[in-house]
Order: sequence, then structure tokens, then C-alpha cells
Amino acid sequence: EADIYQTPRYLVIGTGKKITLECSQTMGHDKMYWYQQDPGMELHLIHYSYGVNSTEKGDLSSESTVSRIRTEHFPLTLESARPSHTSQYLCASSDRNLLNTEAFFGQGTRLTVV
Amino acid sequence: QQQVKQSPQSLIVQKGGISIINCAYENTAFDYFPWYQQFPGKGPALLIAIRPDVSEKKEGRFTISFNKSAKQFSLHIMDSQPGDSATYFCAAVSTGTASKLTFGTGTRLQVTL
Repeated sequence: EADIYQTPRYLVIGTGKKITLECSQTMGHDKMYWYQQDPGMELHLIHYSYGVNSTEKGDLSSESTVSRIRTEHFPLTLESARPSHTSQYLCASSDRNLLNTEAFFGQGTRLTVV
Repeated sequence: QQQVKQSPQSLIVQKGGISIINCAYENTAFDYFPWYQQFPGKGPALLIAIRPDVSEKKEGRFTISFNKSAKQFSLHIMDSQPGDSATYFCAAVSTGTASKLTFGTGTRLQVTL
């Protein structure tokens, strides 16, 4: 069982609210990732981090932002939630280059913006 | 632009049958091809992976077949069981962007009794 945790598991929130999705891992992994998963299953990388103070945008443009102040923590923030942000958000981490290892995923946060 | 194309989108197989999921890619810089399995309410988890210097890798009932010249690879699940019912994603990692997994679109597998 991977030691990567996401909270909350489910969130229903009104349009315009600011939200932060939490992701923490206890494995000491340098690399962390956020994926957005469509209802149709597709996984899209929206943010990643190589380590503390490193953040990069992923392949899918997202209005969310991330920060990496501590190795174990990689929160994702939406300043003003909109219904188009409704999706499942998955956090993952890996201990090194993904050519040689696996990414460990959290259970996800299912976000609904009404 | 879908860099890793996966088919079928859904698959129903009888218990004991063989499940086959296919993937194709265009980017020749891809150098590692993992398959992830996702159960409802869970995040994906690594199932099996292959590098392009081998044509086949087998782990228990799960086999990856890899055709480098055709830029195709597939997952075979032998003796499929109801517990295999899940969504399967093929993925690829390139040497140039080694910290990014590019996923296929996913295949929802249902194994019936």
C-alpha cells in the first residue's frame, strides 16, 4: 500500500470559492505530480514538481496552481472554482526518474463545483 | 493530440478467457512502457512494465507484447478473473521528459462469471 494521501476524498463547493486539495506522501519522494481524470477516464498531467521549490505545468492547461514548500506536501489550489473544474484530481509521487520506477497514486479527490 | 492510443475503450470477457488491450504510439523517444490498473475509488497502480529492448514480458497471468517496429504494445490477461475487472491504462515515458507519464485513454474491463 502506497503512503500517499489526498484530502478531502469528496468535495462539493459553490462557484467562486477558493479551494485547496491536499496531497501528502511519507515516502520521501522528490517527484510529485497532479493528474486530472475525466469522467471518461483519461488522465491528464496538470502539474509536477522535481523537488522543493520546483513546480512545472503539465500537458493540460489548468487554472489551478501548486506549491512545493516541503518534500512531503504538494497542495493544489483553485482561486475561484467553476463548474468546468468538476473532475477527479489524482496526486502521485515517485522516488526517481520514471524510466526506472513507478508512480504511486493517491485515491483521488472528486471535486464537484455547483 | 493523443500520443498514446489505446483500444478498446471497454471490454467484456468471460471468466477464464483472455483479455487483450492494445496500444500504439508515435513518439520514438518513448523508452519505457508501463501498464497501470485502476479499481473504482482508487488511484492507478503499476501492474507490469516493459522496455523496448524486449519483445515480451510475463508476470503471472499478465503479459506485455511489444512490437518496436510497429510502435505497438499490448496487454494480455490470461485466465481472466472477476477480480481483474478494472480500468487499465497503458502509458509511456520518454527519455526527454523522463518525469512524465503519458497515459492512453483507458480500457474498462469487465470479467463476467
